[in-house]
Amino acid sequence: DIQMTQSPSTLSASVGDRVIITCRASQSISDWLAWYQQKPGKAPKLLIYKASSLQIGVPSRFSGSGSGTEFTLTISSLQPDDFATYYCQQYSSYPPLTFGGGTKVEIK
Amino acid sequence: QVQLVQSGAEVQKPGASVKVSCKASGYTFTNYGISWVRQAPGQGLEWMGWISAFVGNTNYAEKFQGRVTMTTDTSANIAYMELRSLRSDDTAVYYCARSSALISWFDPWGQGTLVTVSS
Repeated sequence: DIQMTQSPSTLSASVGDRVIITCRASQSISDWLAWYQQKPGKAPKLLIYKASSLQIGVPSRFSGSGSGTEFTLTISSLQPDDFATYYCQQYSSYPPLTFGGGTKVEIK
Repeated sequence: QVQLVQSGAEVQKPGASVKVSCKASGYTFTNYGISWVRQAPGQGLEWMGWISAFVGNTNYAEKFQGRVTMTTDTSANIAYMELRSLRSDDTAVYYCARSSALISWFDPWGQGTLVTVSS
């Protein structure tokens, strides 16, 4: 199985801050990576696919980069609606498809 | 709009089975597959498996092999996930999610179904 490791697990930030979340794969996954946002009590929402492609309707302050084993999700200017938990997911190898452990973005 | 609506919360006893449904609308059901992902309380996301809505072929995570069955009813645009021999650690929110293929991202997701396993 491909292990996905996210860091940090928790991040405290203020509105307007630039936020960077990292996801590392245990082996190369090319650019077969997606990012999701999940708010408490809600289903995950797709933000980014193929490492850097922004899903339709997602604000442009979200961006993704990376390939191989190292990936980042960047929020250029954190907004109040962005406080949530973020997950990466690899879809290079199956079974199983695997997720990172999550990064909770909290209000500082 | 593309939407997945899941069945309501369930409470089951250890050893029992549960069958969760996921009704799709807003797209051609047979052009996509459905993955099932679960999330234990306070925990992360765990992929359980995938079914092609067109062909009906399945691919399950090894962890659930022998205990899970995924099916579809193409006449009603509904996907089902049945989990048998329930244990307390199967208590989780179960999500269905659309995917274009087995190896793909998931979008959109259903609202989730809480399954509680308790004696």
